[in-house]
Amino acid sequence: GDSVTQMEGPVTLSEEAFLTINCTYTATGYPSLFWYVQYPGEGLQLLLKATKADDKGSNKGFEATYRKETTSFHLEKGSVQVSDSAVYFCALTGAQKLVFGQGTRLTINP
Amino acid sequence: GAVVSQHPSRVICKSGTSVKIECRSLDFQATTMFWYRQFPKQSLMLMATSNEGSKATYEQGVEKDKFLINHASLTLSTLTVTSAHPEDSSFYICSAKPGYEQFFGPGTRLTVL
Repeated sequence: GDSVTQMEGPVTLSEEAFLTINCTYTATGYPSLFWYVQYPGEGLQLLLKATKADDKGSNKGFEATYRKETTSFHLEKGSVQVSDSAVYFCALTGAQKLVFGQGTRLTINP
Repeated sequence: GAVVSQHPSRVICKSGTSVKIECRSLDFQATTMFWYRQFPKQSLMLMATSNEGSKATYEQGVEKDKFLINHASLTLSTLTVTSAHPEDSSFYICSAKPGYEQFFGPGTRLTVL
């Protein structure tokens, strides 16, 4: 069945560091891909999405490119801030349902 | 964006009791809502799809009699954990789709003693 695999956390970085969180997927067909963010005590929020191969989703300085050839959707940000500390989930739509990765906890130190 | 609320945010109960969790769409109508369960350091697992005015659709391995879902109106779905046991302790999250995008509630932390 459809599945999403994320790099294991937790990830701890210093402010202004470069961030990459790896995400790979297995799916039949051509799923849409998403990154969700969960701030402490809050629900999941859509961070960005891509609906077809080679699409780049971007929001709040974060980017991810839909790579069909490597079945990947890695999340990147050039300069992280303390306020980016949260749990990040990669997800895809499979059979009309969202399938999530296990989440990666990111902590940014000042 | 659309807002989904959940109540309560935290609940602690004794083993054997039943607990009801509410999920509300505050500024839109939702014919379909989703219930997820999240274990510590693990992903969200879809438990069931709640359909307004009809029976919920449960995922494989989810006990229908254990997790009762009622979607009585276009803005409210409830999840009742019946005869709760410590292994039911978890973080329960609901979501709804007013259009293409899913919006998630803040979650309910259930602890069964």
